[in-house]
Amino acid sequence: QVQLVQSGSEVKKPGSSVKVSCEASGGTFSRYSITWVRQAPGQGLAWMGRIIPMFDVVNYAQKFRDRVTFTADTPTNIAYMELRNLTSEDTAVYFCARDRSDDTFDIWGQGTLVTVSS
Amino acid sequence: EIVLTQSPDFQSVTPKGKVTITCRASQSIGRSLHWYQQKPHQSPKLLIKDTSQTISGVPSRFTGSGSGTDFTLTISSLESDDAATYYCQQSRSLPLTFGGGTKVEIK
Repeated sequence: QVQLVQSGSEVKKPGSSVKVSCEASGGTFSRYSITWVRQAPGQGLAWMGRIIPMFDVVNYAQKFRDRVTFTADTPTNIAYMELRNLTSEDTAVYFCARDRSDDTFDIWGQGTLVTVSS
Repeated sequence: EIVLTQSPDFQSVTPKGKVTITCRASQSIGRSLHWYQQKPHQSPKLLIKDTSQTISGVPSRFTGSGSGTDFTLTISSLESDDAATYYCQQSRSLPLTFGGGTKVEIK
């Protein structure tokens, strides 16, 4: 069974960038999309976008489009989410999830806490 | 963008009681509506897909219904393990969107 294992917590300064990884262990994600979801403290889930590694296609939510980049390295089964020009409002837990062809998210990473603080 | 509005925001129910959560879409989404459960400090878990298809391993007390713009998640007999926040999500069109969540507390 595939598991998604994310990189550890990060503390960043305002204006900097963060890159979070999501590794598919026990399988491959090349047949699926990887979606990224953000959850600010005490808040709900916000879809940031997705990458389809097999076709190297990305879709970004409008809110993040100017500051986020999704990439995927299919030989190593690792997906990445880079968010630039961080502000305190980007303090959140970032999840990756396997995005099936019907756009349901059936396997989730454990989440990565990104704290933006001066 | 399709906006999903969940109600109520919070529900406190006694064990074995019934929980009903609604999710209203800003435009018709057919049956492309899914439900997730998130317990504190955990990742979300897919419970129901395509309005009413319960995911393997999910207890039968969880059921979903609806179509078009109005959807419902029902927990028929609440157990202590069901304390969580529940989210709906649509896959009709991009951007994919979530409802704001409904927190269920065991009274």
